Amino acid sequence: DAMVIQNPRYQVTQFGKPVTLSCSQTLNHNVMYWYQQKSSQAPKLLFHYYDKDFNNEADTPDNFQSRRPNTSFCFLDIRSPGLGDAAMYLCATSRQTQETQYFGPGTRLLVL
Amino acid sequence: EDQVTQSPEALRLQEGESSSLNCSYTVSGLRGLFWYRQDPGKGPEFLFTLYSAGEEKEKERLKATLTKKESFLHITAPKPEDSATYLCAVVSGAGSYQLTFGKGTKLSVIP
Repeated sequence: DAMVIQNPRYQVTQFGKPVTLSCSQTLNHNVMYWYQQKSSQAPKLLFHYYDKDFNNEADTPDNFQSRRPNTSFCFLDIRSPGLGDAAMYLCATSRQTQETQYFGPGTRLLVL
Repeated sequence: EDQVTQSPEALRLQEGESSSLNCSYTVSGLRGLFWYRQDPGKGPEFLFTLYSAGEEKEKERLKATLTKKESFLHITAPKPEDSATYLCAVVSGAGSYQLTFGKGTKLSVIP
């Protein structure tokens, strides 16, 4: 089945220790998105790629970076995680912008 | 600015008791309205996309409808496994990419 895969499902890191989350897709979609979701809140868009074109949301902290080395993979790098960065991180894909977004299972990040 | 309001915030139903969830929206040029189901600790699972007023889509016990101002997610004879948070989101405007989400309705179906 075509799908969006996220690894790891759970990640524990220490305050200030860099961490990388990964996402891969077998849908061959052009657009990939990273969202942050905190408890009982709606997902918040951090950035998205249309193919290799990177788009950063204005309020995404500089602490967050992303890479998309090819169509299938996308990475979220958190350079110096703070306690406030503990959240669920969701990857999503869509064929084109404005079309249906399909989400992965998420990575739960815990910062100690 | 696009706005999406979902009601109620939480809903408890007895198994078999049909009901509807509401998603009202204010957008400039709706391009699509999306319903997702989210289980605790998991990513949103896509349910339906609706594009124009009058459109309806069904899947098992769920039926989504769309008017010019709101969408309903009707749940017929729900089962405990339908318990989840249901999210509504819209995308609007030419060239826009960002989904605007509502805060969700947490549905609990009691056996």
